[in-house]
Amino acid sequence: GQNIDQPTEMTATEGAIVQINCTYQTSGFNGLFWYQQHAGEAPTFLSYNVLDGLEEKGRFSSFLSRSKGYSYLLLKELQMKDSASYLCAPLDSNYQLIWGAGTKLIIKP
Amino acid sequence: GAVVSQHPSWVICKSGTSVKIECRSLDFQATTMFWYRQFPKQSLMLMATSNEGSKATYEQGVEKDKFLINHASLTLSTLTVTSAHPEDSSFYICSATQGQGFTYEQYFGPGTRLTVT
Repeated sequence: GQNIDQPTEMTATEGAIVQINCTYQTSGFNGLFWYQQHAGEAPTFLSYNVLDGLEEKGRFSSFLSRSKGYSYLLLKELQMKDSASYLCAPLDSNYQLIWGAGTKLIIKP
Repeated sequence: GAVVSQHPSWVICKSGTSVKIECRSLDFQATTMFWYRQFPKQSLMLMATSNEGSKATYEQGVEKDKFLINHASLTLSTLTVTSAHPEDSSFYICSATQGQGFTYEQYFGPGTRLTVT
């Protein structure tokens, strides 16, 4: 079956760094997305990885290891507005996104 | 670019009535549109995938006669919840993809919160 595993909730301090891990099992693989979703809002795109390695985009970076079925999202210089859920979503062989429940990130002052 | 709109943003209806939700891609042609439902504190659940001019493909467990999807053009898809009941109250989100190039990124609409009383 297809499965996504992320921590349910994480807490971090404003200005710090946090890494949100994701392991996945899918039928085929065509890349992996990270989305941010604030409460009551639709998801917004953060990153896309299809090759192994680290993709950096401002304060956010995303890493992928296809052989390990593993990805992480790294958030630096945390701000209060980063409090949200972070969704790891791999694309399966049918180019369908597989969604997990996401990780709720709480930022404290 | 790549903006998706949804209308209405929220709706309250009485049990037994039907509600139509529109999803539009404003500045691109969407070869594929997706409809999701999300209950509080749960993950996005894909309801159906639709391609312009074709019948929608529904996920297992989603009643096609209850959730009518029409994808009449490359910029518009509609979801009609027929004979709505309180258990249909949820956050409905559409997304669209150009389905081209490298990323197959899905652009999400802002969502529609449906409350059935």
